[in-house]
Amino acid sequence: EAGVTQFPSHSVIEKGQTVTLRCDPISGHDNLYWYRRVMGKEIKFLLHFVKESKQDESGMPNNRFLAERTGGTYSTLKVQPAELEDSGVYFCASRPRQGMNTEAFFGQGTRLTVV
Amino acid sequence: GNSVTQMEGPVTLSEEAFLTINCTYTATGYPSLFWYVQYPGEGLQLLLKATKADDKGSNKGFEATYRKETTSFHLEKGSVQVSDSAVYFCALSEDKLIFGTGTRLQVFP
Repeated sequence: EAGVTQFPSHSVIEKGQTVTLRCDPISGHDNLYWYRRVMGKEIKFLLHFVKESKQDESGMPNNRFLAERTGGTYSTLKVQPAELEDSGVYFCASRPRQGMNTEAFFGQGTRLTVV
Repeated sequence: GNSVTQMEGPVTLSEEAFLTINCTYTATGYPSLFWYVQYPGEGLQLLLKATKADDKGSNKGFEATYRKETTSFHLEKGSVQVSDSAVYFCALSEDKLIFGTGTRLQVFP
């Protein structure tokens, strides 16, 4: 069974440009999460989808970030326009169901560098 | 709000040394606690977990005990190997995960 897949693995863009990150969760997992680790700091929650609906987007930094999950399958996270402080590693995770004890499966992450 | 604090790295050890990585948490309820590991070039993997007070999670020789009285979940291993070199993240779950800053472990032969 395929795990959580993220594209691209690395992206280097100039300030002001747009970047779109993609996450393909494990098939059948309704719950999809985006997290970000900036500059060796803690991994921070960005948002949570249940199927195609945004359950919790309290961690989204500002309106330059737009996440979608059309059809409840893969998800995209667009940053437009990108700023220097957006650099970091973006992780996606999926779970078959919600709940504190349910394991989250993570992708390898996308390393975004804004120059 | 809920938070996780873990010791700063890097932690540098010789092979077969004893490992402790400290982790403490602040939570209003009774969250589940996790240790995740990121090996070089790979994604985050669940290492172990504990869902209630006094539970001990264990995997691959690593152990951590959920201590409610000290709000801690320290990671230990009796004898580390070079292959254990990675970044270790302590986390608590209130559905979404709240992570610590990560601790890099470097094990030398």
